[in-house]
Amino acid sequence: AQSVTQLDSHVSVSEGTPVLLRCNYSSSYSPSLFWYVQHPNKGLQLLLKYTSAATLVKGINGFEAEFKKSETSFHLTKPSAHMSDAAEYFCVVSQRGSQGNLIFGKGTKLSVKP
Amino acid sequence: GAGVSQTPSNKVTEKGKYVELRCDPISGHTALYWYRQSLGQGPEFLIYFQGTGAADDSGLPNDRFFAVRPEGSVSTLKIQRTERGDSAVYLCASSSLGLEGETQYFGPGTRLLVL
Repeated sequence: AQSVTQLDSHVSVSEGTPVLLRCNYSSSYSPSLFWYVQHPNKGLQLLLKYTSAATLVKGINGFEAEFKKSETSFHLTKPSAHMSDAAEYFCVVSQRGSQGNLIFGKGTKLSVKP
Repeated sequence: GAGVSQTPSNKVTEKGKYVELRCDPISGHTALYWYRQSLGQGPEFLIYFQGTGAADDSGLPNDRFFAVRPEGSVSTLKIQRTERGDSAVYLCASSSLGLEGETQYFGPGTRLLVL
């Protein structure tokens, strides 16, 4: 069965410094992977997704993630954090099959200090 | 265009009562999903509709939970005899075809509080 593990429940960075949110996946095949962001009192928004094309995926707001099969990782990065990046981030894998159910990690709360 | 909408945004009810939560997906999307997000957790899958039919309801926790999508558009999640443990944010998402790897678009959720 597919699963994702977000290695940090909370990450705190200073504005202007790099962001790294870690995610490891478990799957017996090459999965579809996503990062979603959830701002307080707002809906989940897709940041980026990997679906077996290029392993380095660029998303919105300057975020990107790299699919590394050898490490079973899909870490999310951004070169320079902005105050508006403070939110909850979810690493997600798509359930295998034709229906696309999503399996979410427990989330990483990103705090950005001025 | 319009995104996924959910009503009500908040619902407070008493233990034992019946509640209905509504989801209006993006127009033309055949796939509709319900998820439940408990405090401090990631969303968990409840049920998936392809058109009017529930293609996978394996995530529904028990028979108090039921969902319908009679015309293949709007869906209603129904919870009978609510319990305090049902308190959570209920999220709805839709996608064009319901295929693996497709982007799902989420609504803002309904926050349910059972007293």
